[in-house]
Amino acid sequence: QKEVEQNSGPLSVPEGAIASLNCTYSDRVSQSFFWYRQYSGKSPELIMSIYSNGDKEDGRFTAQLNKASQYVSLLIRDSQPSDSATYLCAVNIDTGRRALTFGSGTRLQVQP
Amino acid sequence: DAGVIQSPRHEVTEMGQEVTLRCKPISGHNSLFWYRQTMMRGLELLIYFNNNVPIDDSGMPEDRFSAKMPNASFSTLKIQPSEPRDSAVYFCASSFVGGSNYGYTFGSGTRLTVV
Repeated sequence: QKEVEQNSGPLSVPEGAIASLNCTYSDRVSQSFFWYRQYSGKSPELIMSIYSNGDKEDGRFTAQLNKASQYVSLLIRDSQPSDSATYLCAVNIDTGRRALTFGSGTRLQVQP
Repeated sequence: DAGVIQSPRHEVTEMGQEVTLRCKPISGHNSLFWYRQTMMRGLELLIYFNNNVPIDDSGMPEDRFSAKMPNASFSTLKIQPSEPRDSAVYFCASSFVGGSNYGYTFGSGTRLTVV
């Protein structure tokens, strides 16, 4: 089992809809969770971080964490064509001793 | 801040040649990471430095790969000899580990092609 799993997609949503991206992780002691956005040919860019159970909102983005279910998600409200990218989930299991482990990413396509 | 600076942006080399990738982290960051990204394997950690000391090099594929961080503002990743299967995008990232939010900042990457 991979440490961090994501559906590769593509996930296709119409402009203005809510896009829901999901990620599961295998290690129960994971401490920190991040979402990165990567446009084609570019480097990953941090868009959200979450450390405790519940929801965290930042503009059109909401990160949700459920440690009991080992599940983290990213909701994008009012999706725009410019949101079309690959979204990478990253998990830190042991801060200071191990680096972030990344999922393989979900490709999101927002249709105008 | 100029961000994480990597060079070169593109590198094409012949099998068997030595390749050196370079990285300048963000000033004030205490941790530096080298990742490799391919379509098949995604983003994989190669090595992690904290305060210039290698902490986790379990991702370094084999002895052909070596990394150094002689000071807080510079790191190199060397492949000798290079092989076609090393073709990938190599990212350097830096962070301040120990703060409340230590998301990584990535450089623009080096696209390596070994022919």
